[in-house]
Amino acid sequence: GQSLEQPSEVTAVEGAIVQINCTYQTSGFYGLSWYQQHDGGAPTFLSYNALDGLEETGRFSSFLSRSDSYGYLLLQELQMKDSASYFCAVRGDTGRRALTFGSGTRLQVQP
Amino acid sequence: ETGVTQTPRHLVMGMTNKKSLKCEQHLGHNAMYWYKQSAKKPLELMFVYNFKEQTENNSVPSRFSPECPNSSHLFLHLHTLQPEDSALYLCASSQDPLLAASTDTQYFGPGTRLTVL
Repeated sequence: GQSLEQPSEVTAVEGAIVQINCTYQTSGFYGLSWYQQHDGGAPTFLSYNALDGLEETGRFSSFLSRSDSYGYLLLQELQMKDSASYFCAVRGDTGRRALTFGSGTRLQVQP
Repeated sequence: ETGVTQTPRHLVMGMTNKKSLKCEQHLGHNAMYWYKQSAKKPLELMFVYNFKEQTENNSVPSRFSPECPNSSHLFLHLHTLQPEDSALYLCASSQDPLLAASTDTQYFGPGTRLTVL
């Protein structure tokens, strides 16, 4: 089986930096993904890490440590529009196409 | 706009009704997925199709019946649902993640908000 843990809520102010952690347990491992979902909207892909290290895409970065079964999403220069839920997801089992998602972290950005 | 459309966006049905959810992707993907998203719960995988063949069924009750006539269309047929089935039903598509160089990126539709009375 697979399971992922991430904090349920995070609050930060505009312009700040916030880190959302994710720990996972899988029987195999292919990569860790991050998705953003605004209220009433669909999840949208943010980033993917298959190898250890940091991936940067604009204000967002994602980090993976396979030895620690751990990753994080780093959001810099926070904007009000970043208020959303953020999900980590893994595709862990050999031969499976489906992703297993964490329960999501609700980020609230305050002025 | 992600290239994945879902209809209807909202659906209210009684427990004895039969209805269908439709998903269409315009991205040329081979894999399509149904997920259920309930309040305060993670996205739950329901079904996976690859090249029209069902490859995963996550122990979904038989009152949910998927259909994939081709790689671009996916349906979820609903009958005799229960109130606890009320949720957001999301469709997604991707390139086959079992192929080399896949990034596991899935593209989601806007979802159908289902209420079962």
